[in-house]
Amino acid sequence: DTGVSQDPRHKITKRGQNVTFRCDPISEHNRLYWYRQTLGQGPEFLTYFQNEAQLEKSRLLSDRFSAERPKGSFSTLEIQRTEQGDSAMYLCASSLGLAGVGDTQYFGPGTRLTVL
Amino acid sequence: AQSVAQPEDQVNVAEGNPLTVKCTYSVSGNPYLFWYVQYPNRGLQFLLKYITGDNLVKGSYGFEAEFNKSQTSFHLKKPSALVSDSALYFCAVRDGIYGGSQGNLIFGKGTKLSVKP
Repeated sequence: DTGVSQDPRHKITKRGQNVTFRCDPISEHNRLYWYRQTLGQGPEFLTYFQNEAQLEKSRLLSDRFSAERPKGSFSTLEIQRTEQGDSAMYLCASSLGLAGVGDTQYFGPGTRLTVL
Repeated sequence: AQSVAQPEDQVNVAEGNPLTVKCTYSVSGNPYLFWYVQYPNRGLQFLLKYITGDNLVKGSYGFEAEFNKSQTSFHLKKPSALVSDSALYFCAVRDGIYGGSQGNLIFGKGTKLSVKP
């Protein structure tokens, strides 16, 4: 069990550029989640996959955001035409998916995005 | 709507003393409650959860939490604090009434715990 990994750990970009983040969940975990955390706040839910199906999206996930999990393993989160307000820590989590709503989510180290 | 409140932005404790980090919640159905800890520039680390059963839940690193339905609280506790416990602590809830919505956790704003030697 190597844990959830995320790449890159840090990303600095200029406003208007596109960025893509990758998340590798714990193997055998069929659920994968993306959250966003800004300074002084708790994580806020963005979207959720069960296997390759994207089952839930937050209203925070604007049209500029897209997430995929093409083979039910790793996932990517892309932000198009970045804005300064997108600066945040983007967290990925995965869970086994057997315990229903009591399922425990395990988080990766996060990708810190800074938009200049 | 589901919500979680952590009324204290910061808790200061002397090493060796007991600590409590407070959390209250609001859900429509049965609550599923979680505590996570975050060290600087790190992701969240799971500590413990309450799903059902015994109101006192024991977790990692000597932490425990007490579920109180009448007070809608889920306070995190530890009998004897360590300097290494200094970190940011988050309470989270998932509303069990949303059987089909098994995605998101709702997090509080976090409480910074500072343990002094």
